[in-house]
Amino acid sequence: KAGVTQTPRYLIKTRGQQVTLSCSPISGHRSVSWYQQTPGQGLQFLFEYFSETQRNKGNFPGRFSGRQFSNSRSEMNVSTLELGDSALYLCASSTGGDSDNEQFFGPGTRLTVL
Amino acid sequence: GNSVTQMEGPVTLSEEAFLTINCTYTATGYPSLFWYVQYPGEGLQLLLKATKADDKGSNKGFEATYRKETTSFHLEKGSVQVSDSAVYFCALSDYNQGGKLIFGQGTELSVKP
Repeated sequence: KAGVTQTPRYLIKTRGQQVTLSCSPISGHRSVSWYQQTPGQGLQFLFEYFSETQRNKGNFPGRFSGRQFSNSRSEMNVSTLELGDSALYLCASSTGGDSDNEQFFGPGTRLTVL
Repeated sequence: GNSVTQMEGPVTLSEEAFLTINCTYTATGYPSLFWYVQYPGEGLQLLLKATKADDKGSNKGFEATYRKETTSFHLEKGSVQVSDSAVYFCALSDYNQGGKLIFGQGTELSVKP
């Protein structure tokens, strides 16, 4: 079974631009969560989608948004990029439903904002 | 709100030494507890989990016991190897929060031959 894939793996943008990151979950998984990882703040939850609906949302500004498609693939979008948005963005998928479900993480997208 | 606190790193050990990484949590509900490991340049992998009080999670020689009375979930291994060098994250998820994980700040482990 293929793992969680994220594209692109690396991205360089400039301040003010917007960016879209993609995540393909493990086949059969209906939940996709997104996390931001930075040296200063660690791993922070952005949002979770389950069956195309946002189920949970973290404490990030509205510039961060996401969506999930009917095939469970998910995208997250960051508009008006700031230097502080430079981070590793990880997505994780699970079968969904229960809080003790194992989350399977992708390798991440490394975003650099110049 | 819910939170997780881990001992700060980096932790440097010699091969075959005993490892303990402390983790304590604060939660209003009945969380499930996890240890994830991140190798350089990779995403996170689940190492072990425990879903209720007194459960012991174990995998690859690592163990952690869910202690409700001390709100702790310390990670232990009796004899570490160089290949265990990685960053370890303690995390919790609450029963009404779906897939949302709250992570500790991570502890970097370096094992020297």
